[in-house]
Amino acid sequence: AQSVAQPEDQVNVAEGNPLTVKCTYSVSGNPYLFWYVQYPNRGLQFLLKYITGDNLVKGSYGFEAEFNKSQTSFHLKKPSALVSDSALYFCAVTRRETGRRALTFGSGTRLQVQP
Amino acid sequence: NAGVTQTPKFRVLKTGQSMTLLCAQDMNHEYMYWYRQDPGMGLRLIHYSVGEGTTAKGEVPDGYNVSRLKKQNFLLGLESAAPSQTSVYFCASSYRGQTAEQFFGPGTRLTVL
Repeated sequence: AQSVAQPEDQVNVAEGNPLTVKCTYSVSGNPYLFWYVQYPNRGLQFLLKYITGDNLVKGSYGFEAEFNKSQTSFHLKKPSALVSDSALYFCAVTRRETGRRALTFGSGTRLQVQP
Repeated sequence: NAGVTQTPKFRVLKTGQSMTLLCAQDMNHEYMYWYRQDPGMGLRLIHYSVGEGTTAKGEVPDGYNVSRLKKQNFLLGLESAAPSQTSVYFCASSYRGQTAEQFFGPGTRLTVL
């Protein structure tokens, strides 16, 4: 079985400050990890992914995430938050070994950036 | 290039009624997926398809059926709707399976009374 935990329902940050959205995962074997963002009344949009290689992954809109195998974490970060970053963020995982094609999503974290 | 489109955007059903949700993609993707999104639960996979003519069960398949007769279309059917199927339904597609990003449609908000 595979699972994703996003421990914070909501994260509040002031514009210009760094932001972190936390994600931990549980999977047998090696993971593929993803971050998606959802704006109000829209479908999810891909931000970034970790497949293999460098643990620090850079993605769209200035976001990055660090894969930490020992802590089974894949936290999303941005050095300087924008009001337009306010949205719902989902972490997702799948497992490499069995060819399982399905992503398991976390419950989501709402990011609120105050001006 | 429309990406992934879903029809309809909103629907209200009575318990026991049936309906079909249509998903279409114009990116020539092999893989297509149907998810449901419920508050506080993220997205859960209902069914998916790895190519034309193929379908497979996801995490929560009960009460739903799917068909992939054409590569660009993926239909989700509810034969006898129940209030527990009130949700927002998202279709997605991807070029490959595990490592490829998924492209999502705008969603269908379904209410079953």
